[in-house]
Amino acid sequence: NAGVTQTPKFRILKIGQSMTLQCAQDMNHNYMYWYRQDPGMGLKLIYYSVGAGITDKGEVPNGYNVSRSTTEDFPLRLELAAPSQTSVYFCASSRLGRVQETQYFGPGTRLLVL
Amino acid sequence: AQSVAQPEDQVNVAEGNPLTVKCTYSVSGNPYLFWYVQYPNRGLQFLLKYITGDNLVKGSYGFEAEFNKSQTSFHLKKPSALVSDSALYFCAVRDMEMDSSYKLIFGSGTRLLVRP
Repeated sequence: NAGVTQTPKFRILKIGQSMTLQCAQDMNHNYMYWYRQDPGMGLKLIYYSVGAGITDKGEVPNGYNVSRSTTEDFPLRLELAAPSQTSVYFCASSRLGRVQETQYFGPGTRLLVL
Repeated sequence: AQSVAQPEDQVNVAEGNPLTVKCTYSVSGNPYLFWYVQYPNRGLQFLLKYITGDNLVKGSYGFEAEFNKSQTSFHLKKPSALVSDSALYFCAVRDMEMDSSYKLIFGSGTRLLVRP
């Protein structure tokens, strides 16, 4: 059982380049989330999705876009990379959005923007 | 505003000794609290959660956490530390103020170092 998978593991971007961070889960979870983790900080929510075709902004959405065409996949798009987007990105999923639900995290993508 | 605080950046303990990683929270309404562990170059792994019921919650790898409502704390504990417990630990609380998202609010993390 793979759980939540993310690709790539590490990427270096030049300022202004674009890329897509991939996230997939095989647990048939409805809810999916993207967080970023900056050094010495906790995780902050970028975007989330409550199901296929439905997405919404978290607390730090600027500079990012998402889509959810299937239950399994939740890619995160960076259109014009900026040094401030240097971070570790984690995708997570939960079966439902109820408050007691556990979120399960992928291994992360480390992004460096130079 | 809802928040989680982990007052210690690092906790050092000798192998075999008990360990405590501290967490305090501030929420409106009932708290839903979680502990995650992050090993180097790995994602976050769920350890345990408090939803309701017994104040002492048991989780993975021999960890437990004690919920204390009067002190608004949810400290992570283990009776006997292992070197392999060395990792970054995050406390989190469910955000009840954002409609629908139920996002987690994370503390800044505490690095646990268990020396042989």
